[in-house]
Amino acid sequence: DVKVTQSSRYLVKRTGEKVFLECVQDMDHENMFWYRQDPGLGLRLIYFSYDVKMKEKGDIPEGYSVSREKKERFSLILESASTNQTSMYLCASSLWGAVATNEKLFFGSGTQLSVL
Amino acid sequence: GENVEQHPSTLSVQEGDSAVIKCTYSDSASNYFPWYKQELGKGPQLIIDIRSNVGEKKDQRIAVTLNKTAKHFSLHITETQPEDSAVYFCAARGVKAAGNKLTFGGGTRVLVKP
Repeated sequence: DVKVTQSSRYLVKRTGEKVFLECVQDMDHENMFWYRQDPGLGLRLIYFSYDVKMKEKGDIPEGYSVSREKKERFSLILESASTNQTSMYLCASSLWGAVATNEKLFFGSGTQLSVL
Repeated sequence: GENVEQHPSTLSVQEGDSAVIKCTYSDSASNYFPWYKQELGKGPQLIIDIRSNVGEKKDQRIAVTLNKTAKHFSLHITETQPEDSAVYFCAARGVKAAGNKLTFGGGTRVLVKP
């Protein structure tokens, strides 16, 4: 089974700190995604990457950046954390392409980030 | 871009009853509609999906229907069991979306009462 591992389950940071959220997948997937999950708002896409060193903005990229130096690892960076970035962050991966069997997203268990 | 609305936000059903969750989407060109289930403390998992060339799909106790004219799709769970208690998300993918980019609904918290 595909495994998507997020480095921390819970994280508490102070306003203004630089925060790194790490995600690693073990199935050689081309696509990787970062979502944030907030009650009533569902999952909103922050950034995604379809190849090493490639990145694309999602729907809510403001205040975030990403890094993908290796195929299996996708990092989300909060340059200067703010209280409105308190949220559950979910990483996901999938195979590339429009082929039906490749469209399934595999999610990690999430990182609950609290910014105080 | 695509906009997906999901209703209800919470749903409480008696064990054995049916549960129905409805979603509407805005992009008439959307062609792929998955449903994800998120259990407590876990990430969402795909439970069923449907493409725009199909009107209905069933997998054991769950089924999804799609009405392209009305731009809405629904998840049906029959004979609900306690393990069906979870948060369910619908999603839609527009034709112009790159890299399997999905737009998710706001989620429905389902509670199955024994």
